[in-house]
Amino acid sequence: QVQLVQSGAEVKKPGASVKVSCKASGYTFTSYYMHWVRQAPGQGLEWMGIINPSGGSTSYAQKFQGRVTMTRDTSTSTVYMELSSLRSEDTAVYYCARENVVVVAATALGAFDIWGQGTMVTVSS
Amino acid sequence: QSVLTQPPSASGTPGQRVTISCSGSSSNIGSNTVNWYQQLPGTAPKLLIYSNNQRPSGVPDRFSGSKSGTSASLAISGLQSEDEADYYCAAWDDSLNGSWVFGGGTKLTVL
Repeated sequence: QVQLVQSGAEVKKPGASVKVSCKASGYTFTSYYMHWVRQAPGQGLEWMGIINPSGGSTSYAQKFQGRVTMTRDTSTSTVYMELSSLRSEDTAVYYCARENVVVVAATALGAFDIWGQGTMVTVSS
Repeated sequence: QSVLTQPPSASGTPGQRVTISCSGSSSNIGSNTVNWYQQLPGTAPKLLIYSNNQRPSGVPDRFSGSKSGTSASLAISGLQSEDEADYYCAAWDDSLNGSWVFGGGTKLTVL
């Protein structure tokens, strides 16, 4: 079945970096964009950026520019999200999410149809 | 502070119909379609409605979506206890370099 399986929980100190993985299975990895979304404790969802698994191109939310790097490994159908210069406010559950695009009247309409289980990242001294 | 505005809470009794609103602007809801996600406690979000009013396979027809101008709504009819969850609206925002934006979420309580 189609699924995204993420790496396990991480505890990091302020100033460190964290790299979270998301392994896709059950579909053609290079045919769907992948996004990263985070959720701080008790808070809402926040979009971080997108990677095109086919060519590796990326686009990041302005808030994370310079601190986030998204990469992919097509040989293992895995995408990665690395966040650097961590601070306490980065404590959150990080999700990868596949974007499914439907073309209606020549307009591409996207939605996040498959989500990973989430990876808790705790930043604490 | 979220770009899309949702009421923080909503409630209803079993069998009732409830609606959740989502307000945006011309750069997001006003020019793009709206998706809705359901997040049960302790789980990842799940796609509930896409392209304003389309249900993915497996989503009951008790759930429906609509959009008008810069606002959207999610309606749940025949409310059930298992509908108790957080609900988020989302849309692409054309401003700056473009980004996905979410509402702050609405916690639905089934009384």
